[in-house]
Amino acid sequence: DAGVTQSPTHLIKTRGQQVTLRCSPKSGHDTVSWYQQALGQGPQFIFQYYEEEERQRGNFPDRFSGHQFPNYSSELNVNALWLGDSALYLCASSRGNTDTQYFGPGTRLTVL
Amino acid sequence: DQQVKQNSPSLSVQEGRISILNCDYTNSMFDYFLWYKKYPAEGPTFLISISSIKDKNEDGRFTVFLNKSAKHLSLHIVPSQPGDSAVYFCAASARGSARQLTFGSGTQLTVLP
Repeated sequence: DAGVTQSPTHLIKTRGQQVTLRCSPKSGHDTVSWYQQALGQGPQFIFQYYEEEERQRGNFPDRFSGHQFPNYSSELNVNALWLGDSALYLCASSRGNTDTQYFGPGTRLTVL
Repeated sequence: DQQVKQNSPSLSVQEGRISILNCDYTNSMFDYFLWYKKYPAEGPTFLISISSIKDKNEDGRFTVFLNKSAKHLSLHIVPSQPGDSAVYFCAASARGSARQLTFGSGTQLTVLP
């Protein structure tokens, strides 16, 4: 049973560029949430997708957008990158309204 | 405004002894609490959870205690093993918020052989 998978593992971009990160949820899960983890801090909620719609959004600017596909996989897009976007981006999946989220290994984004 | 706080950035414990990790929260709407363990270069791994209708939940060596009046929860690991060395995050969620998780800043546990 495959767990949550994310790609790519690492990414280096320059300021002003755009980036797309990808996530495949755990088998049987239909809900995907994205988190940003800066160095030395806990993960912060970006948004959640369910039934291909953004269901909830955290305190992140519109430069952060996402998408969920019919197979429940998801993408996180970040436009106009700046240095402060350098972080570990984590995807978590869950089933419907169940309470426990399971995380992928993350994508390390470095913005130069 | 930090709604979930882990006030101890680090904790060292001897192998075989008990590890106690603490977490405080301020939001009264939180009704579900989770502990995750994180190794470097990996995503957080779910350990154990507790609903606000309970005050204790056990799973093998791991026990979580919830004190709602004090808005405090703790994770007990008995006995501690060197493989338990990792960063431990406390997280909380509220009904009606799509169960988004609010995390503490983590505690680095080191279990010494």
